[in-house]
Order: sequence, then C-alpha cells, then structure tokens
Amino acid sequence: DIQMTQSPSSLSASVGDRVTITCRASQGITNDLGWYQQKPGKAPKRLIYAASSLQSGVPSRFSGSGSGTEFTLTISSLQPEDFATYYCLQHNSFPPTFGQGTKVEIK
Amino acid sequence: EVQLVESGGGLVQPGGSLRLSCAASGFTFSGYAMNWVRQAPGKGLEWVSAISSNGYSTLFADSAKGRFTISRDNSKNTLYLQMYSLRADDTALYYCARSTSDWYDFDNWGQGTLVTVSS
Repeated sequence: DIQMTQSPSSLSASVGDRVTITCRASQGITNDLGWYQQKPGKAPKRLIYAASSLQSGVPSRFSGSGSGTEFTLTISSLQPEDFATYYCLQHNSFPPTFGQGTKVEIK
Repeated sequence: EVQLVESGGGLVQPGGSLRLSCAASGFTFSGYAMNWVRQAPGKGLEWVSAISSNGYSTLFADSAKGRFTISRDNSKNTLYLQMYSLRADDTALYYCARSTSDWYDFDNWGQGTLVTVSS
C-alpha cells in the first residue's frame, strides 16, 4: 500500500495567516491526489483534485501543488471558517489511502 | 444537488451483523461507482469498499475482506454494505462516497452513519 505522510499533524494559526500543509507519498502517484476539509461532525468536503485543480465553489484562497511524491495544500489567508482538519487522499494505486490529517486550530 | 444519506447504523454485539444503506439522489446513480469509507472515533479516514456502476465488480480493504459485502440496487438508487462478524475495531462512522471517473477519487460524501460494536 502507498503510505501518505502528512505534516504537520496539527498547527495553530491566526486569521489572515498563510498556512501550508504537506503530504508525501511513499512512491510516485503522478498527480492523483485530492485534498479534503472536514469540520467536526461533518462529512469530508473535497477542496482540490488532481493535485492542483480547485473544486467548484471552493474559495480561491485554497490552492494545491505538487506531483510525484510531494504535495502541498496552501491557504493564502486563513479565515475563521477554515479551522478544520485537512486530509490528503491518493487514488493512484489500490487501495486508496489517506494521510493521517492535519488539524488547523485557532492561535 | 448530489445527496447521499446513510442509514442502518447502531449498536451491535461483537460477532454480530449489520446492513448499512446509502440513498442517493440528485444524479444518475447507475452511472457512478460508489464507495464506503469509515472513520473510527477521533481517528482518520479509511477506505473500506468500492463497487462498480453496474454492480458487477467489487473491491475491499484487507480489514473488510471476507466479512463485508457491498451491493447496490440501481432501480432504488441505493448502495448497501452488509457487515458480518463485527469486531470492536469496526466501530466507526461509515460514509458512502461517490467516485469520479476514477474509482478511488471521491467527490461527494454523505453525512455518515455510526456503527458501534460493543457488548
């Protein structure tokens, strides 16, 4: 199975901060990666697909980059509604595997 | 609007069985592969099973293989997960998720149904 290692596991940030979350794959997955946001008690919501494409309706402050084994989710200016847990998902190889999550908390 | 509504969760004893359902609306259900993904309390996400759009092909995580079956009724726009020989570590919130053209790429999720395995 491909292992997805997310970092950091948690971070504290203030409204307006630039936030970067990284996902590393144990082997190359081209750009077969998505990023999801999950708020407490809610289902995951896809933000980014194909590593860098913004899901329709998602604010442009979210962006994704990377290819191969290293990927990044960036929030350019953190907003109050962005405090949540973020997961990456690789869908290049069976079985699909998620990163362990990054919890973004209010500083 | 795509809607996925899971049901069927509950409290079950170790070794017991449970069937989950996911009612789909807002899209052509028969045109999409579907999945179950679970999340243990306070933990991350784990893919469990997938089924092709016509129901002929299925896939399972090792943790589910031999104990879970996945099926669908395209006439009822409903996805199922039949779980047998349940263990404490199957305790989780179970989500159904729609695949994109890539089986393992999930674009829409339901709100989940909670399965608790405990004596």
